[in-house]
Amino acid sequence: GAVVSQHPSWVICKSGTSVKIECRSLDFQATTMFWYRQFPKQSLMLMATSNEGSKATYEQGVEKDKFLINHASLTLSTLTVTSAHPEDSSFYICSARDLRDSYEQYFGPGTRLTVT
Amino acid sequence: DAKTTQPPSMDCAEGRAANLPCNHSTISGNEYVYWYRQIHSQGPQYIIHGLKNNETNEMASLIITEDRKSSTLILPHATLRDTAVYYCIASSNDYKLSFGAGTTVTVRA
Repeated sequence: GAVVSQHPSWVICKSGTSVKIECRSLDFQATTMFWYRQFPKQSLMLMATSNEGSKATYEQGVEKDKFLINHASLTLSTLTVTSAHPEDSSFYICSARDLRDSYEQYFGPGTRLTVT
Repeated sequence: DAKTTQPPSMDCAEGRAANLPCNHSTISGNEYVYWYRQIHSQGPQYIIHGLKNNETNEMASLIITEDRKSSTLILPHATLRDTAVYYCIASSNDYKLSFGAGTTVTVRA
């Protein structure tokens, strides 16, 4: 099956700094990627939809200036958490749709962010 | 997308079939039923999806009632590695998947 990778798998940063998370589709092209956030013992919450070559679409309540998303190519989307605070500590997961298969989303392994 | 309702948890014995129910009584005609699972601290994994007909793949079978108001995911021979949270999602397209609380399935030896 198709593979989506994320880097880094975990990161610890200080409050006030910015952190960039990469999401790559390794063996397929993806026009659309999605970013989710998951707090402990909770379900995944969709943050934004990332479209290659255009601006991301954010879900209600998600600050677009705080969570910067860039989808510069068909295989890479990045999420930058700016001015991170401890409440941003979470598990961030991306997913991607294969252009050849319109029904299935492939998820990355997730990135554990801890802000101290 | 239609709301789905799943039991919060269930146990099953290793080697036996696991039947996971899902209610989606307000599902519309163009909404598919998707099943994903998430093993602890990993990204979700696609299992199966269907619209009207029952579906089967190498992982599971999906049985959708004739009125489409409910469905059952069947893991034919559960193993310890099937312990995970299973999510049933109704969506008109796969652009947005709204994850509910899911069912925590524990397979016991």
